Order: sequence, then C-alpha cells, then structure tokens
Amino acid sequence: GQNIDQPTEMTATEGAIVQINCTYQTSGFNGLFWYQQHAGEAPTFLSYNVLDGLEEKGRFSSFLSRSKGYSYLLLKELQMKDSASYLCAVRDRTGTALIFGKGTTLSVSS
Amino acid sequence: DGGITQSPKYLFRKEGQNVTLSCEQNLNHDAMYWYRQDPGQGLRLIYYSQIVNDFQKGDIAEGYSVSREKKESFPLTVTSAQKNPTAFYLCASSHLNTRDLQTRRAFFGQGTRLTVV
Repeated sequence: GQNIDQPTEMTATEGAIVQINCTYQTSGFNGLFWYQQHAGEAPTFLSYNVLDGLEEKGRFSSFLSRSKGYSYLLLKELQMKDSASYLCAVRDRTGTALIFGKGTTLSVSS
Repeated sequence: DGGITQSPKYLFRKEGQNVTLSCEQNLNHDAMYWYRQDPGQGLRLIYYSQIVNDFQKGDIAEGYSVSREKKESFPLTVTSAQKNPTAFYLCASSHLNTRDLQTRRAFFGQGTRLTVV
C-alpha cells in the first residue's frame, strides 16, 4: 500500500520559521516533491529531493531521509503570502505516478 | 506561451449526465495525469497516461474514463456512474525520460470546478 502523512494544519507568525513534516510508506521510491497550493488554485512546484540531504532554494529548504521515509519542508522569514496548503508527493515505483499526501494548511498571522 | 490548459474553469452538470473535462498541453510532455481534490483533502489520482493510446487507473478510477489519442490531449469523462462527482479536478503533465530528475516534476493546469445540480 501507499501512505503519505502530513499534519493537517499549522500556524505561525510573520518572520518566524516553520517546519512541515512528511512521512511516507510507498511501494518503491523515485523522488519526493513539495508543492504549494493557494485556495482554489493549481499547485505550484517548490522543491524536489531524490537523494538524502538538504536542498536549499531561497527561503525554502527541503530535507529527505530515504531510510526513515521522512521529509520536511522548512520555510524561513515567513510572510503573509505563505499562507497556503503545502503538499508532499512521492513518485511511485514505476517512476510515473505522483502520489500526494492530504496537505498541510499553513496560516501565517501578523 | 507554453503550458497546460484546462477548460472550462467552472462546470455544472445535472445528475445522470456524463460530462467531459478538457486538458491540453504544449510542453511536449510524455505523461499526463488527472487528480480530484475535495475540500480539506489532498490530490487523489484518477488516471494517468505515459504514452499515446495507453493509460492506467489510479486510486479512484471508478466512474471515470479517459482517452489519449494525441500526446497533447488527455480528456476526462465523468460518467453518471460516479456517485459523488462534485469536486475540483486538476490535470497535470510531466516529462518521463529526462536525465535531470527535477525536470520530471508535474506541471498543473488551473483546474475545473465541477458541480452537480
């Protein structure tokens, strides 16, 4: 079976740092993606990990541990516009289908 | 301007009717996908296709059908057999056979919000 778990909701304040965790149990692994989705809009790509370690891209970083089936997305210097859902997705063993978690809704307050 | 286009943005359907959602991409992507999203839920995979004239069922294929007659197009039909079709439908596409794995990321259309009335 395939299972991807994320916290349902998180809250934080402007300027803070927040870490959104994702654990996965999938039949095979061909990379993990993080997407951002604002309400009613399409998801947009944030980051990609296929090897263990940290990938940094501006205010956003993503970490992967394949042995633990674990990833996190780190958002620094939070801004109000970062209020959105953050989706963790794993590419399955065929290397084709992207399987998504339920997403984490992040609310940033001033 | 390259991208993936879904139409219409909003769609209303009477119970018992079939309806087809359009998805077109000009990114020369091999793979195309259909997802369904319900309020407070993540994306659930309906169907995907890696190549023309071939497609595979995802986790929730019942009540849906697709075709892939052209590389650019992957329409989704929501049939009357789908018991609860009201949802936000997202189409996506991606490369498959590129050395740079990051370029295999999925690009999404703007979605179609289907409401059964």
